[in-house]
Formats: sequence, structure tokens, C-alpha cells
Amino acid sequence: EAQVTQNPRYLITVTGKKLTVTCSQNMNHEYMSWYRQDPGLGLRQIYYSMNVEVTDKGDVPEGYKVSRKEKRNFPLILESPSPNQTSLYFCASSLRWTSGRTKGETQYFGPGTRLLVL
Amino acid sequence: RKEVEQDPGPFNVPEGATVAFNCTYSNSASQSFFWYRQDCRKEPKLLMSVYSSGNEDGRFTAQLNRASQYISLLIRDSKLSDSATYLCVVNVPSSASKIIFGSGTRLSIRP
Repeated sequence: EAQVTQNPRYLITVTGKKLTVTCSQNMNHEYMSWYRQDPGLGLRQIYYSMNVEVTDKGDVPEGYKVSRKEKRNFPLILESPSPNQTSLYFCASSLRWTSGRTKGETQYFGPGTRLLVL
Repeated sequence: RKEVEQDPGPFNVPEGATVAFNCTYSNSASQSFFWYRQDCRKEPKLLMSVYSSGNEDGRFTAQLNRASQYISLLIRDSKLSDSATYLCVVNVPSSASKIIFGSGTRLSIRP
């Protein structure tokens, strides 16, 4: 079954304690992204990766790190979490396509990770 | 001004009603458009792509108006199971491909 998996699904931690949220996809997609979702702000992109060893900042990268050592995995690292990073996090894997002169990108999301930083 | 704007709702309509959402986007270079559905506490899932010619999938119809830079979603004969948040998504192709999500419109169908 084609899917994106994230772990853990729920996490409560304390300020300053390093944590990693894993993300894995089995669709052989080159593009992967991390988003956070907060009430009233919608989905905001944290980081994205266009391929192995190629990553770049999204709209809200501060306080986060990522790595892409393998195509299927794209972990999100919070070196020193703070309460303002309490949020719902989604990993996504993307399929890019071209139809005629139109280009697009369809995203497949993981189930989400609820993080609470105390 | 937000790059993608949606009416947040909530829209509260009776079962069987027809409901329509609009979404406006600011970047005229946007090329592809989608509606995603997100159930409470779940991940967004692709509902349908939006094409210039409009497209229909069962009770759902999506339209694109490039001149006015908006897309719409029409749901006919709404069911209780249609209750969800509907996200408008716009893709601006570039070397880095920018995908922009609207904040979502919440729909609640009542019996």
C-alpha cells in the first residue's frame, strides 16, 4: 500500500529536549516536505527536499532542521524545542507531473504528529 | 494579502443542500489547482484537481476562473459524511515548486 508514515503520532516533551520526528514514504517520490498546521494559519511549509541531500527552507524554518540521506526518509529535527513549536506536523511526499503545458505537484500526507512542548 | 484566501466558514447546511466554496489566489503564474479535504485531526487528502475546463466527480464540481483568479468547489446533494474542512491549494511551478494552502473552509452538514 502506497503511504507516508510518521512517528511518533503524539509527543509531549519539555523545552530544550532534542527530538526527532521520522517520516518515510514508499512511493519512490523525489520530493518531500514538512508542514506545521496551526489554528487560523493553515498549513505552513517548514522545509522541503527535492532529492537525496538536497533540502531547502520553506516559510517557517526557524528552530527546525531536516536531513535527506535516503530517498524514502525525511526526518524533522527540533534541536531545542520551545512552546511555540507546539503544533500539528505533517510530512508530505510529492508526485510532480506535466500535462501538456501545465505542471503540477500532488501531495500525499502522513497521518500527522501532535507535538506539545511544555 | 494572503496568497490564497478562503472563507473560513463554518458553513452549516442541512443534508441534501447544495453548497459552494470559493477561493482566490494572488499569483497569476499559478498553474495547477486542487481541492483537498481534511477531516478533524486527520491529514489532508486530495479531493480533486481543478482544470481550466472545469471538472466533475460525482456530486463534486470544481471550476477555475483564471481571469478573476479564483477557483470554486460545488457540492450537490450534501451528505453527513461531507462534513470536513476543505483546503484550496495552488501550485506555482518553479525550480523549487511552491505549493500554497488556503486556511480552509469548514463545512458542517446537519441531519
